Amino acid sequence: SAVISQKPSRDICQRGTSLTIQCQVDSQVTMMFWYRQQPGQSLTLIATANQGSEATYESGFVIDKFPISRPNLTFSTLTVSNMSPEDSSIYLCSSILLDTSTDTQYFGPGTRLTVL
Amino acid sequence: QKEVEQNSGPLSVPEGAIASLNCTYSDRGSQSFFWYRQYSGKSPELIMFIYSNGDKEDGRFTAQLNKASQYVSLLIRDSQPSDSATYLCAVRGSWGKLQFGAGTQVVVTP
Repeated sequence: SAVISQKPSRDICQRGTSLTIQCQVDSQVTMMFWYRQQPGQSLTLIATANQGSEATYESGFVIDKFPISRPNLTFSTLTVSNMSPEDSSIYLCSSILLDTSTDTQYFGPGTRLTVL
Repeated sequence: QKEVEQNSGPLSVPEGAIASLNCTYSDRGSQSFFWYRQYSGKSPELIMFIYSNGDKEDGRFTAQLNKASQYVSLLIRDSQPSDSATYLCAVRGSWGKLQFGAGTQVVVTP
């Protein structure tokens, strides 16, 4: 398995501001993903973070709202821009390891975001 | 129709009994199937993955896959209070994306 860390673990932000979440994996990975989990709900894929190119966004998510970077194989950031209370959620980074024969996805501990 | 469906529960199981969780999926091209456990306030933790039809056992957990019927299940034997959590079924569909069910809450009662 991989050790995935996220920073910050939680934050309380004001409406209209932006927050950047960092994700670091301790092993080389093939793919990195960002998910959102709203209270009492399951996980929703926001986007696939592609190394050196623009992220691939799912329906309902746009780059202007959720810009993503992935400068190398083990690091990615997700920015939640111009936040509103509806963005209050847990944001999870996930990855598939490079040196494995499976496509198992592991998850980071999550970032709990509250927007006031 | 949801792509991955699970009963939301809660599923109440006496300690020591078997918990049986079911999951159905709609994409016939799906090849990878996963069960995650999520404790309240924590991130999903992988329990098992299964790729082939049949049973796969790992300790007290058994995953069962039937691609013809498009369902995957998880059995938890000798259930313990520490097994109380939400169990998420996840399926990697033909487009390569991991789709999650809504999760089944399991409550193991002493």
